[in-house]
Amino acid sequence: QKEVEQNSGPLSVPEGAIASLNCTYSDRGSQSFFWYRQYSGKSPELIMSIYSNGDKEDGRFTAQLNKASQYVSLLIRDSQPSDSATYLCAVNIVGDDKIIFGKGTRLHILP
Amino acid sequence: KAGVTQTPRYLIKTRGQQVTLSCSPISGHRSVSWYQQTPGQGLQFLFEYFSETQRNKGNFPGRFSGRQFSNSRSEMNVSTLELGDSALYLCASRGDRGAEEQYFGPGTRLTVT
Repeated sequence: QKEVEQNSGPLSVPEGAIASLNCTYSDRGSQSFFWYRQYSGKSPELIMSIYSNGDKEDGRFTAQLNKASQYVSLLIRDSQPSDSATYLCAVNIVGDDKIIFGKGTRLHILP
Repeated sequence: KAGVTQTPRYLIKTRGQQVTLSCSPISGHRSVSWYQQTPGQGLQFLFEYFSETQRNKGNFPGRFSGRQFSNSRSEMNVSTLELGDSALYLCASRGDRGAEEQYFGPGTRLTVT
């Protein structure tokens, strides 16, 4: 069973600090990795995609991938109250061509 | 480009009834996936259609079915509704290559009473 694991949280971070969200996956064949943000009652919104080992930055967001450790993370700099949401990690497994989601981490930014 | 659209947005049905949900993907996207989201189970993959063919299927009973039309629009049907089918049903589309990002519609909130 191919799995994507995330800490459910809630993760509480003071406004202006760095929020660090982590995700591990079980299938070494995974090639593509995605982070989604989901506000309560809304649908998931794609924030970042990452395909190669290392860091990828987009504004206040940085995705980090380490395929050897089967680990992907999302850093949010200068956290804002509007960043309070559930963050979903998703992994595309090439053989199945199926995208599997973690159950998400609830992030709460403290004003 | 217009995003993924889903209709209806909200639905209330009674146990034993059936329901059909509709999804229109982003223009040019030929892959449509359906997910069920509940508070306890998170996002559960139902199935994926590509060029009118079911390409992948999750672990749901046969009461859940789908189809895709030549214009890439997709429908999902649930027959003999159960209380446990109450959930947010999400549709997502992506381009041809398996690695491409997937974009979600607003979802259909189904309540079974």
